[in-house]
Amino acid sequence: QKEVEQNSGPLSVPEGAIASLNCTYSDRGSQSFFWYRQYSGKSPELIMSIYSNGDKEDGRFTAQLNKASQYVSLLIRDSQPSDSATYLCAARPGGYNKLIFGAGTRLAVHP
Amino acid sequence: DGGITQSPKYLFRKEGQNVTLSCEQNLNHDAMYWYRQDPGQGLRLIYYSQIVNDFQKGDIAEGYSVSREKKESFPLTVTSAQKNPTAFYLCASSSGFNEKLFFGSGTQLSVL
Repeated sequence: QKEVEQNSGPLSVPEGAIASLNCTYSDRGSQSFFWYRQYSGKSPELIMSIYSNGDKEDGRFTAQLNKASQYVSLLIRDSQPSDSATYLCAARPGGYNKLIFGAGTRLAVHP
Repeated sequence: DGGITQSPKYLFRKEGQNVTLSCEQNLNHDAMYWYRQDPGQGLRLIYYSQIVNDFQKGDIAEGYSVSREKKESFPLTVTSAQKNPTAFYLCASSSGFNEKLFFGSGTQLSVL
């Protein structure tokens, strides 16, 4: 069973701080990784995708991938109350045309 | 504007009834997917289709059926065999095998 694991949270951070969200995956052959943000009652929207080891930065967001440790993370700098949402980590197992999603981490940014 | 349209936004099913959720995309994407989301849980794959007239079962296909007669459309039928259908249903599409998913706005299905 291929799995993606996330801490359900809530992760509470003050406004302006760095939020760090973590994810581990079980299939060592996974090649593609995605972070989606989902507001309550809404559909997920793509925040970041990462395919290679290392860091990938886009504005206030940085995705980090460590394939040896089977670990993906998302850093949100200068967190804003509008960042309060559930963040879903997803991985595409090797040879599969589908994404496996984690249960999500709920982030709460307080003023 | 290109995107994925799901309808209806809310749907109620009576016991023993089949209901169909609509999903239409104008992104010219080859692949389409149906996911189910229960409260506090991640997305679970019901069915997916890589090309017209072809589809595969996902992880929780029992009690559901799909068709892919047109590239733009991928309707999902929740049959009476699905005993616990209450959930948020999400349709998605992608341009290819290794590409990111784009999601529709979802359908909340409840049982009367």
